[in-house]
This record gives sequence, C-alpha cells and structure tokens, in this order.
Amino acid sequence: DAGITQSPRYKITETGRQVTLMCHQTWSHSYMFWYRQDLGHGLRLIYYSAAADITDKGEVSDGYVVSRSKTENFPLTLESATRSQTSVYFCASSDLAGTDTQYFGPGTRLTVL
Amino acid sequence: GDSVTQMEGPVTLSEEAFLTINCTYTATGYPSLFWYVQYPGEGLQLLLKATKADDKGSNKGFEATYRKETTSFHLEKGSVQVSDSAVYFCALSENTGFQKLVFGTGTRLLVSP
Repeated sequence: DAGITQSPRYKITETGRQVTLMCHQTWSHSYMFWYRQDLGHGLRLIYYSAAADITDKGEVSDGYVVSRSKTENFPLTLESATRSQTSVYFCASSDLAGTDTQYFGPGTRLTVL
Repeated sequence: GDSVTQMEGPVTLSEEAFLTINCTYTATGYPSLFWYVQYPGEGLQLLLKATKADDKGSNKGFEATYRKETTSFHLEKGSVQVSDSAVYFCALSENTGFQKLVFGTGTRLLVSP
C-alpha cells in the first residue's frame, strides 16, 4: 500500500527494555520525522532526517536513537525504555522541508510499565 | 524560540454552529502557518496553510487568514458538522534553515447533532 506506515500500532514494554518503532514510506520523500504526542504538549520533535544517512536531533531526543540506511525507512529505538517515554509516537515524511506538507503515519501507542 | 499558542479545549458546539479556534504565534522571522487536523485514532493531516502575510488558506469549508500585525492565524468555519469533531493543531515553520514545524498543544472540537 502506498503511504506511510508504522509498526507496531500498540506496544507494551517494561522499564529498561530496548524497543524499536518502525516507520516506512513509499513516496521516496527526502525528509522524515519522529514526534511524540503527550497531553498538554502537542507534538514535539524527537529526530529528523533530511536524507539517507543524514539525521539530527529535535527538541526531545534524549534516550532515543535513529538510523536511516534507506530512504524509505526511519526506525526509532528507545535504548532503555523509561516510564516517561510512555506516549504516542508519530512518524511523518515530506518531500521538502518545513513549508511543504508533512504526511503522518497512524501512530504507535507505547506504554512503558 | 518560536512558539504557538492555541485556545484551550474542548470546544463544544451544536451542528451548524459557527466555529473559531484561536491561534497566535511568536517567531523571529516570517514563518509559514498551518492547521493540521487529527481525527480519532488517526495521524495528523494538513487542513490548510498560508505562507505569507494576508494569505488566506481554505479547505473543506475551513478558513484561516495570516495576520502579521496581530501574529494570529485563527481557524474558522461557518457551519460545523458532527464529522468535524477532531483535534486541531496550529503550527508554524520558519522559512530559513531546517524549517521544522512547531506545533501548538491542540484544541479538541466536539460537535453534537
């Protein structure tokens, strides 16, 4: 299917575990983004990528790692999950930077116990 | 830094009522402005945008005008429907550098029949 997909859609894990959230887009967009959505904070940028092998930190990157070996994939890894990382995570992509439309995936709801 | 302030929700309206959701911003330059909408259980999708002062964005009966003098981008719709129930996010993107999106905290709209 064309578009942007995320997996898993729901995940429950324990404190200290490593978790990887997957994101895949079929448009060959250059830019990809990871956000977390928390009540009272809206969406906050975790990491972004301008192209394969080019990534940079957003405003809330501590405790997260990303990679982008292929244009279409942008996995997000929580190296050692903490309860404060319980959130809904959204992946997005765009063909250009900021002024272009960002297309969002359906989200992954992560619960850290 | 750049920021977006939205009115607190939820906004509760009856079908066919007039809608206004206020949005003001703080930015050092001349940003592009966006409204994104999130329907229950889904990711965000672009509703409308404006890239310069006095531009009006419109889509699906929604409108917003970029007001530089009041640093505002209020969302309006003349007659809401039950299907408009969603969370609405105002966002900005500076037109220099990386141009990342900065989101407001979101406003939930509930429309009853």
